[in-house]
Amino acid sequence: QSALAQPRSVSGSPGQSVTISCIGTSSDVGGYYYVSWYQQHPGKAPKLLIYDVNRRPSGVPDRFSGSKSGNTASLTISGVQPEDEANYYCCSEAATYAVIFGEGTKLTVL
Amino acid sequence: QVQLVQSGAEVKKPGASVRVSCEASGYTFTTYALHWVRQAPGQRLEWMGWIITVSGKTKYSQNFQGRLTITRDTSASTVYMDLTSLTSEDTAIYFCVRQGIPSPPGNWFDTWGQGTLITVSS
Repeated sequence: QSALAQPRSVSGSPGQSVTISCIGTSSDVGGYYYVSWYQQHPGKAPKLLIYDVNRRPSGVPDRFSGSKSGNTASLTISGVQPEDEANYYCCSEAATYAVIFGEGTKLTVL
Repeated sequence: QVQLVQSGAEVKKPGASVRVSCEASGYTFTTYALHWVRQAPGQRLEWMGWIITVSGKTKYSQNFQGRLTITRDTSASTVYMDLTSLTSEDTAIYFCVRQGIPSPPGNWFDTWGQGTLITVSS
C-alpha cells in the first residue's frame, strides 16, 4: 500500500465542525497503535497535531481531536477557524516498524 | 530547545547522488531515532526510512531499497541521508524528523528540520 486514503479536500465555515478520514488496512491503521496527524501550511514544515490516535501535544488547541475505529482513523476540528486552513496528513506505524502517510487533505475555510 | 538543522539546497544532474545532513541539538542525540521524510512539489509526505542513532540500525521504505543509505556520526550529533541514481522524480524537499518517544522506531514525529530542497535537472 503506497498511502493511506484521505479525501482530497474538505471545507467548512468558521465555527463548523469538520472531520477528515484516513482509511488504511489491518497492516497499518487497524493493526497498530501509533496513529498521528500533522498540519502543514504552505511553505512550512508539518506540525504534530495528534499522536497515539487521540492525544494532543501541549499547545495544540482542544478543538482538534482524533479517533480510530477499525481500519479508519479520523481527525475532527470542532469549530474550525480561518487559521486552520492548511493541508492535513495522517500517519501510521506499519509492519516491521515501517511508517506510512496519508494522501493528504486540503482544508478550506469558507 | 530541540532543533534539527539541515544542510542547504542542492541542484543535481540525473544519475548523480546527493547527501543531506541533519545536525541535532537540544537533547541527547542517541536517545531518539531519526527519520527522513520527503515531499515532492505539491505532493504528499513520503516516509523514506529511519536510523536508531545509538546502534546505527536502519530501516528503509521499499520504495528506496538499494538507493538510500542513512548513517550517523554520534560525535557530531548528525545524521546523513544519501540517495543515489537520482531522477527528476527525486526533486523534493527532504525533511529530517525526530520521533516522539525513544522507542519503538516509527511512532510519531514531534520535531522537523527546516527541509532541504533537492532539485534534479539536466
